[in-house]
Amino acid sequence: ETGVTQSPTHLIKTRGQQVTLRCSSQSGHNTVSWYQQALGQGPQFIFQYYREEENGRGNFPPRFSGLQFPNYSSELNVNALELDDSALYLCASSLDRGKSGELFFGEGSRLTVL
Amino acid sequence: LAKTTQPISMDSYEGQEVNITCSHNNIATNDYITWYQQFPSQGPRFIIQGYKTKVTNEVASLFIPADRKSSTLSLPRVSLSDTAVYYCLVGERNTDKLIFGTGTRLQVFP
Repeated sequence: ETGVTQSPTHLIKTRGQQVTLRCSSQSGHNTVSWYQQALGQGPQFIFQYYREEENGRGNFPPRFSGLQFPNYSSELNVNALELDDSALYLCASSLDRGKSGELFFGEGSRLTVL
Repeated sequence: LAKTTQPISMDSYEGQEVNITCSHNNIATNDYITWYQQFPSQGPRFIIQGYKTKVTNEVASLFIPADRKSSTLSLPRVSLSDTAVYYCLVGERNTDKLIFGTGTRLQVFP
C-alpha cells in the first residue's frame, strides 16, 4: 500500500467525450505527477504539479490538463478523447517535485475509448 | 531527444544475480536515478535510488559511473516473484520532465 488512491479504477468512454481522473496523494506529499501507460509500453510523463502549479510537462497536447488542490489531491482531465487515449493512467505523489525522492504510485485508472 | 534505453528482456534462474543497465545520456545534472518494479495491472513500485557511485539496500544495489550517463540495477539472488518489468526513471536535462526507461521484462525460471 502506497497511500495513493486513484478513481475510477476502470472506465469506458466514446471518442470525443471528456474524462476526469482523480488522485489522492499520500499524506504530507506536495507533488503529484501523472503518466500514461499504453498496453505493453512504459509510463509516459504527462505533467507534474507542485504546490498547485504545473511544474513540468511531457509531450502531450493541451487537451490533457490538470489541477492540484490545496490538499494536494489532483485531477487529470482529457478532452476530445481519441482512440489512442486508451491506456492505464497512473498518478504518483512525492515530496518536493520527486527528483530526489521516491515516487509513490497509485494502482491506476484504466481508460478504454471506443 | 535522447531516449532512456534498457534491454527489452532478460531471462534468469532462481538464485542467480541479475544486472539490468539503463542508458540515460541526457540526464539532468542534479537529479537522482531511480528504479522501479512493475507487475501487470499495478503501479510501479520503488526499488532503489542513487545519485552517484554505489547504493545498496535490502533488495538491490545500484551502480552509477562518474559520468552518470548509465546505471546498473543489481538484484543479488532472484526468485520467481522477481518476474516483472523493471524501469529506470531520470529527470531530463534542461527540462522538468521525468523520463522512464523503455523497460526490461525479467523472467525468472525455477
